[in-house]
Amino acid sequence: QKEVEQDPGPLSVPEGAIVSLNCTYSNSAFQYFMWYRQYSRKGPELLMYTYSSGNKEDGRFTAQVDKSSKYISLFIRDSQPSDSATYLCAMSINAGNNRKLIWGLGTSLAVNP
Amino acid sequence: DTEVTQTPKHLVMGMTNKKSLKCEQHMGHRAMYWYKQKAKKPPELMFVYSYEKLSINESVPSRFSPECPNSSLLNLHLHALQPEDSALYLCASRQPGGYTFGSGTRLTVV
Repeated sequence: QKEVEQDPGPLSVPEGAIVSLNCTYSNSAFQYFMWYRQYSRKGPELLMYTYSSGNKEDGRFTAQVDKSSKYISLFIRDSQPSDSATYLCAMSINAGNNRKLIWGLGTSLAVNP
Repeated sequence: DTEVTQTPKHLVMGMTNKKSLKCEQHMGHRAMYWYKQKAKKPPELMFVYSYEKLSINESVPSRFSPECPNSSLLNLHLHALQPEDSALYLCASRQPGGYTFGSGTRLTVV
């Protein structure tokens, strides 16, 4: 079993739809939870960063963390064609005196006009 | 300046060449990372520098040699690479609110 599970999709939705992206994890030592968006041939762009259970909202994006169920979600409201990208969840864990990111596989999203 | 800048954006090199990738950040972040990313895969950690000292090497072959000359600059020296090393090489820096990635160098080894 991978430490972080994420359905790679692809996910295809019409413009204006609400998108729900999810990751599950098995390691209770994960401390910080992130969502990144990556366009083709570009570096990942940080969308959301959370560390406690609950919801965090930023514009059209809402990140949800449920530590008891080891489950995180990203919701995108009023999705736009420009949201078409790969969405990666990432979780931070201590590694000696530093921290490492453990990644999900990424979900490919297409928003159709 | 809230960016991580990587140069070059594209690089084609032969298996006998020596080349270097460069990464700069001026955000004062003291932890910097090199990642390798293959198509349709998540980034794979290679090296971590903390306060200009190498703190994590994920068993990367010696044909990849990292260097951190100062707190703003990170280099990755490449020598005798193989075609399977072709990938997107990403640099990142870590701050309290997450990690900032550069746009990457797309490397092709021929």
